[in-house]
Amino acid sequence: DVKVTQSSRYLVKRTGEKVFLECVQDMDHENMFWYRQDPGLGLRLIYFSYDVKMKEKGDIPEGYSVSREKKERFSLILESASTNQTSMYLCATSGYGYTFGSGTRLTVV
Amino acid sequence: AQTVTQSQPEMSVQEAETVTLSCTYDTSESDYYLFWYKQPPSRQMILVIRQEAYKQQNATENRFSVNFQKAAKSFSLKISDSQLGDAAMYFCAYRSPLSSGSARQLTFGSGTQLTVLP
Repeated sequence: DVKVTQSSRYLVKRTGEKVFLECVQDMDHENMFWYRQDPGLGLRLIYFSYDVKMKEKGDIPEGYSVSREKKERFSLILESASTNQTSMYLCATSGYGYTFGSGTRLTVV
Repeated sequence: AQTVTQSQPEMSVQEAETVTLSCTYDTSESDYYLFWYKQPPSRQMILVIRQEAYKQQNATENRFSVNFQKAAKSFSLKISDSQLGDAAMYFCAYRSPLSSGSARQLTFGSGTQLTVLP
């Protein structure tokens, strides 16, 4: 089975900190995604990548950047965390189907 | 851009009964894919069922079935013989065909929280 591993299950950061959320897959999937999940809004796409060093903006990219230096790793970066970025972040990968990580619940205080 | 709407934020069902979760979507594409995902408290997103728009036959997976109405752009999920383990957040999702530039990502609805009463 494809596994998608997110480095932290819970994270608490201070306003203004630079935050890295890491996602690693153990299959050779080209496509990787970062979603943000908020109550009443569902999952919204922040960024996705279809190859190493390739990235595309999703629906809500403001305040975020991404890095994909290796095929198996896709990082989400909050350059200067703000309280409105408190949320659940889900990483996903797709080959034939989609596989999701277990999410990182980020709190910015 | 495609949109997915789930109009029922919360639903409840008695154990062993049947429940239907609603989903509508908006698209100008003729070929696409629709999904229902389940997210239990563990947060792990689990694929429940998948439907290809070019297939007229409604998809079924054991106790889960869909009512796909392409003209109405409706994609409801029916859960029969509900079990306590069915309690979760359910998301409807849309994906464009692979020939489309936006093919790679899923577009999600806002979710329906299902409670199963013993």
